[in-house]
Amino acid sequence: NAGVTQTPKFQVLKTGQSMTLQCAQDMNHEYMSWYRQDPGMGLRLIHYSVGAGITDQGEVPNGYNVSRSTTEDFPLRLLSAAPSQTSVYFCASSYGQEDTEAFFGQGTRLTVV
Amino acid sequence: AQKVTQAQTEISVVEKEDVTLDCVYETRDTTYYLFWYKQPPSGELVFLIRRNSFDEQNEISGRYSWNFQKSTSSFNFTITASQVVDSAVYFCALSEAGNQFYFGTGTSLTVIP
Repeated sequence: NAGVTQTPKFQVLKTGQSMTLQCAQDMNHEYMSWYRQDPGMGLRLIHYSVGAGITDQGEVPNGYNVSRSTTEDFPLRLLSAAPSQTSVYFCASSYGQEDTEAFFGQGTRLTVV
Repeated sequence: AQKVTQAQTEISVVEKEDVTLDCVYETRDTTYYLFWYKQPPSGELVFLIRRNSFDEQNEISGRYSWNFQKSTSSFNFTITASQVVDSAVYFCALSEAGNQFYFGTGTSLTVIP
C-alpha cells in the first residue's frame, strides 16, 4: 500500500549542481503534480501532468523540468540548483477529476548552498 | 490573484477550546471543489474533507465540522474541544475544472495543554 513515494527525503546541493527528485505512484492515477512549500507561501504548483506524455507548467516552473514517460513516474529535474530553490517539495497524484483529492508523498527537503 | 485566502497565519488556543479556521476562495467556475488538508509537525499532508460547489450542507465528523457558504465564498473549518494532537498547519484548497489544486498559505494552529 505504497501510495505516492518520493525519494530522496533530504538532499543538500551546491549551487549549480543538477539533480532529479523521484516520484512514483502505484494507484494508476492519471494526474500527477509537483509543488514546493515555502514558509508563508503555502504550496505552489511547479509542473503537472494529466497523463503519460503530457506535461504543463504551473505557477512557478522556472528552473525545473519534468517528463512523464509512464503513468507511474513523474520525476522533477533541477537543471542548475540555486539557493532560491531551497524548499520542501511535494509530489501529488489524483484520479484526474476535479472532485477527487490529491494524495501526497512524504516530501523532499532540499537545501541549496 | 490569490484564489484561496487563509487570513489567519497563526492561531493559539488552550486545550478544549473551540477554534475556527477561515478560508475564502475565488473562482468563476460554477463547478468546483474545496478541500482541507492537515500538515502535522511530521510534515506529511493529510486529506481531511472534500466538498463540491453544489452541496452546501454542513458536515460534521467527530470534533471536526465544516461550514460551506457560497454566498460569502467561504469554507470554514471548526475544531470543537481542541486537543494537543490538533496542533498542525491546516491548508484549504480549491480545485477547478482544470484539475489543478490551488492552496491557501495555511493556518498554523497551536493547541496549548
